[in-house]
Amino acid sequence: GESVGLHLPTLSVQEGDNSIINCAYSNSASDYFIWYKQESGKGPQFIIDIRSNMDKRQGQRVTVLLNKTVKHLSLQIAATQPGDSAVYFCAESTTGANSKLTFGKGITLSVRP
Amino acid sequence: DTAVSQTPKYLVTQMGNDKSIKCEQNLGHDTMYWYKQDSKKFLKIMFSYNNKELIINETVPNRFSPKSPDKAHLNLHINSLELGDSAVYFCASSHSGAQIYNEQFFGPGTRLTVL
Repeated sequence: GESVGLHLPTLSVQEGDNSIINCAYSNSASDYFIWYKQESGKGPQFIIDIRSNMDKRQGQRVTVLLNKTVKHLSLQIAATQPGDSAVYFCAESTTGANSKLTFGKGITLSVRP
Repeated sequence: DTAVSQTPKYLVTQMGNDKSIKCEQNLGHDTMYWYKQDSKKFLKIMFSYNNKELIINETVPNRFSPKSPDKAHLNLHINSLELGDSAVYFCASSHSGAQIYNEQFFGPGTRLTVL
């Protein structure tokens, strides 16, 4: 698989390979992080989240890694499928009343058949 | 079974007109949001309401006025539309509170085109 920072807007991977999408967040006080997937013509859809007291969380085919030291978040997708093609966003938030999500720039994942 | 719904899905209008976008959620959430997504896919929060009370108001022109008749609805009214208002507008909702993590659920979006 390939990894890309937020300054590169597109990630192209071969079907079946693993994908790694990286994100640098800005607020050291953020304690909750979410990855969203946005397919063409649709709203962002929740994929997986992680709280700041964890450094790894696994879902079905997806894993999120959190490195608070360098304020870095990554999303790993195993065995990437054509249906994974979408724009992916990381988002950070503090907890508590009146908290808000701050979204990173989107990264387009394109899966080659 | 739509969780967060928006109407209309597409809106094409002339500069200077006034238009509204409606949003409804049936998730029982107490907080609703409006986001603007530009042509580069950058997603930025505009407003947030908690139990019909405005709690987040980012730097948005006062031509934009949200209205929340009840906690399941948050509408967005835009006066004197400008070309730069062309974007996709997303409504979202979530639970909120001191110990709540802010997972937000998004609607399908309204693509606004100002001619």
